[in-house]
Amino acid sequence: EAQVTQNPRYLITVTGKKLTVTCSQNMNHEYMSWYRQDPGLGLRQIYYSMNVEVTDKGDVPEGYKVSRKEKRNFPLILESPSPNQTSLYFCASSFINRANEQFFGPGTRLTVL
Amino acid sequence: AQSVTQPDIHITVSEGASLELRCNYSYGATPYLFWYVQSPGQGLQLLLKYFSGDTLVQGIKGFEAEFKRSQSSFNLRKPSVHWSDAAEYFCAVGATLNAGNNRKLIWGLGTSLAVNP
Repeated sequence: EAQVTQNPRYLITVTGKKLTVTCSQNMNHEYMSWYRQDPGLGLRQIYYSMNVEVTDKGDVPEGYKVSRKEKRNFPLILESPSPNQTSLYFCASSFINRANEQFFGPGTRLTVL
Repeated sequence: AQSVTQPDIHITVSEGASLELRCNYSYGATPYLFWYVQSPGQGLQLLLKYFSGDTLVQGIKGFEAEFKRSQSSFNLRKPSVHWSDAAEYFCAVGATLNAGNNRKLIWGLGTSLAVNP
């Protein structure tokens, strides 16, 4: 089944404790992206990647890192999480030539205490 | 600036009634337009998309949307709503292929749909 998977689905952590949210897709998509969803602010892009070893900042990259060592994986790293990073995170992927028809993972709900 | 407006934050309809969710966009060129649905605790599922051609597009679950360039709108419709349609609906605009590398979607804030039995 074609899908985007994220792990964990739910995470409660404390300020400053490094964490990684994994994202994996099995559709051979070149493009991958991370969004966060917050009430009243909608979905905002954090980082994106056009292909392996090619990443760039989205609208709200502060406090996040990403890597793209393999085509299928695009982990989101929070080196020192803070409470303002409490949010619902979505990973998405698409083919470069399929103009934004992005497939989304199920989401990761992160709470930073 | 690029933006998407969904004027209705919350809508309640009765099961079997018709539905129209509004979406207006601001974009410098012909956009790619999308409607996604998010059920409680679920991810985002693509309902339908408009890239070009026929301005009335059909999607999954009996939904359709009409692109009206003159009104900068892309309203979502369904003739008869089912209780399972209760969810959050998001309209999004995407950059065309020649607009640069980022395939970022610009999102509306969503419309929450409740369905009365």
